[in-house]
Amino acid sequence: ETGVTQTPRHLVMGMTNKKSLKCEQHLGHNAMYWYKQSAKKPLELMFVYNFKEQTENNSVPSRFSPECPNSSHLFLHLHTLQPEDSALYLCASSQELGQRGTEAFFGQGTRLTVV
Amino acid sequence: SQQGEEDPQALSIQEGENATMNCSYKTSINNLQWYRQNSGRGLVHLILIRSNEREKHSGRLRVTLDTSKKSSSLLITASRAADTASYFCATDGYAGGTSYGKLTFGQGTILTVHP
Repeated sequence: ETGVTQTPRHLVMGMTNKKSLKCEQHLGHNAMYWYKQSAKKPLELMFVYNFKEQTENNSVPSRFSPECPNSSHLFLHLHTLQPEDSALYLCASSQELGQRGTEAFFGQGTRLTVV
Repeated sequence: SQQGEEDPQALSIQEGENATMNCSYKTSINNLQWYRQNSGRGLVHLILIRSNEREKHSGRLRVTLDTSKKSSSLLITASRAADTASYFCATDGYAGGTSYGKLTFGQGTILTVHP
């Protein structure tokens, strides 16, 4: 148990569906991240939030829409996805950006399959 | 762009043997971190080494960092079957201060330890 909880753990959705991934952390951290992990590829940083403000959008398509209502919660809203978006989506948190040497704590991930 | 690259991509050893994994990176870093991932699950932080450190130990783990060669190694001594997992290095970049905490991962080394 890392203190970062992601729901759902598994999600199958059609290309016309709208769904949301949820991440919650109980560590008092102020930075939260979405990563995408596809087979045979390195983890890709998607979005970064620091104190609820988005600080990075790593050229992610607009069919992925993040939301960070407070420092403890992070959402990833999904709509009109493509089969190639199937992957493990990982949420992580750390103390805050600008702090040297902060480790990241990861959730267990949501295994997303787009059919 | 991919920062860390692990070598080898896969490593198979017997219980009790030592396992060494290497990581190379391209740009200046603030720190380098190693993570472990069990199949299809979230990543777990193992150890962090700062750019001004050369070696660090944690239990059966030993990490070295050579900033002149932009490389790091992770040694797991007296391996156990439970060490079977994927191991990733991640670099925490250095770009004016606000990059701290935004980790860039390599593709990982898949370690299999046979009982």
